[in-house]
Amino acid sequence: EVVLTQSPGTLPLSPGERATLSCRASQSISSAYLTWYQQKPGQAPRLLIYAASTRATGIPDRFSGSGSGTDFTLTISKLEPEDFAVYYCQQYGGSLMYTFGQGTKLEIK
Amino acid sequence: VQLVESGGGLVQPGGSLRLSCTASGFTFSSYNMNWVRQAPGKGLEWVSYISTSSRTIHYADSVKGRFTISRDNAKNSLYLQMHGLRDDDTAVYYCARGIAVAIYYGMDVWGQGTTVTVS
Repeated sequence: EVVLTQSPGTLPLSPGERATLSCRASQSISSAYLTWYQQKPGQAPRLLIYAASTRATGIPDRFSGSGSGTDFTLTISKLEPEDFAVYYCQQYGGSLMYTFGQGTKLEIK
Repeated sequence: VQLVESGGGLVQPGGSLRLSCTASGFTFSSYNMNWVRQAPGKGLEWVSYISTSSRTIHYADSVKGRFTISRDNAKNSLYLQMHGLRDDDTAVYYCARGIAVAIYYGMDVWGQGTTVTVS
């Protein structure tokens, strides 16, 4: 089973700054299998990026995804106040379907 | 496009509960569906998957043998029958639509969740 490890656990930044969130897989995975979600308190997760780098419908272009193999990154180029949330990466694992990373909390500094 | 869960509540350990998810705004029968849960203050955990025709079903090891996923395409509804509930099943349960283009892309529409408390 592939384990996803996200870092850092908490990322304190200010609006306008650039955020770089990491997701590392315990073994190499296809970039097609890597997805990112955003979750705000009391809300359901929201799809941001799939196939490692494809933005979902309606997602602003300040969000971008990259990576391959075992190392994947979600970058938010210039933080807006509404971007402070928890971010999860997820991978597809065949019959085990989906596993999630433990999340990175992006908080206001 | 909307998913609305219901059926959550307080149940004793060992008890049973049936969750429902009603879809609207899209052709439900054309999409694979999932249940994902989130324990209080914790991360996301995928629970179960069902294909469009119900032909393919998968479960997380943590619920295998206790939970049963099903769907009724005529009623635009997804279900999760839960038996043998344990304290660690306490969570918000979300139904989530699989991305149509490819199963491995993940889930693009989520309900607001229904809370299950086992105590």
